[in-house]
Amino acid sequence: QKEVEQNSGPLSVPEGAIASLNCTYSDRGSQSFFWYRQYSGKSPELIMFIYSNGDKEDGRFTAQLNKASQYVSLLIRDSQPSDSATYLCAVKKNSDYKLSFGAGTTVTVRA
Amino acid sequence: EAGVAQSPRYKIIEKRQSVAFWCNPISGHATLYWYQQILGQGPKLLIQFQNNGVVDDSQLPKDRFSAERLKGVDSTLKIQPAKLEDSAVYLCASNPNVGGYEQYFGPGTRLTVT
Repeated sequence: QKEVEQNSGPLSVPEGAIASLNCTYSDRGSQSFFWYRQYSGKSPELIMFIYSNGDKEDGRFTAQLNKASQYVSLLIRDSQPSDSATYLCAVKKNSDYKLSFGAGTTVTVRA
Repeated sequence: EAGVAQSPRYKIIEKRQSVAFWCNPISGHATLYWYQQILGQGPKLLIQFQNNGVVDDSQLPKDRFSAERLKGVDSTLKIQPAKLEDSAVYLCASNPNVGGYEQYFGPGTRLTVT
């Protein structure tokens, strides 16, 4: 079982719609959860992090965490063509300092 | 604030050759990471430094990969000899402290082994 799994893409959504990205993790000791955006040929950049159960909103982005279900999601509201990228879910345990990344979900926003 | 610098940006070598990558983290960042990102996959941590000491190198193939961070600033990652499966983007990232939330990534070095 992979440590971090993301829903397979690619995900195609029309402009203005909501894009929903899912991520599950295997280690119950995981404490911090991150969403990175990676444009094609570029390096990852952090867009959200969450460490408490519930929702966290930042602009058009909402991260949702359910530790009991070992599940974290990212919602992108009012999707724009500029949101077209690969979104990487990353997980960190408090017992160590490394990030474990999922394989990413590629999102394409259709104009 | 200058970002994480890496060089070269691209490198093409033949299998069994050696190659070295260089990384200069953001000034003052104590923690430095090297990741390998194979096409279609997420980054995989190869090694993590705290200042000039190694925190985690459990996923570094030590028979062919080596890394150092002299004086706790710049770092080099070397592969010798390279294999076809080493073709990937090598990302360097830094963080102000151990366990901090955000890792700042450099532009990466795209390695092609033929």
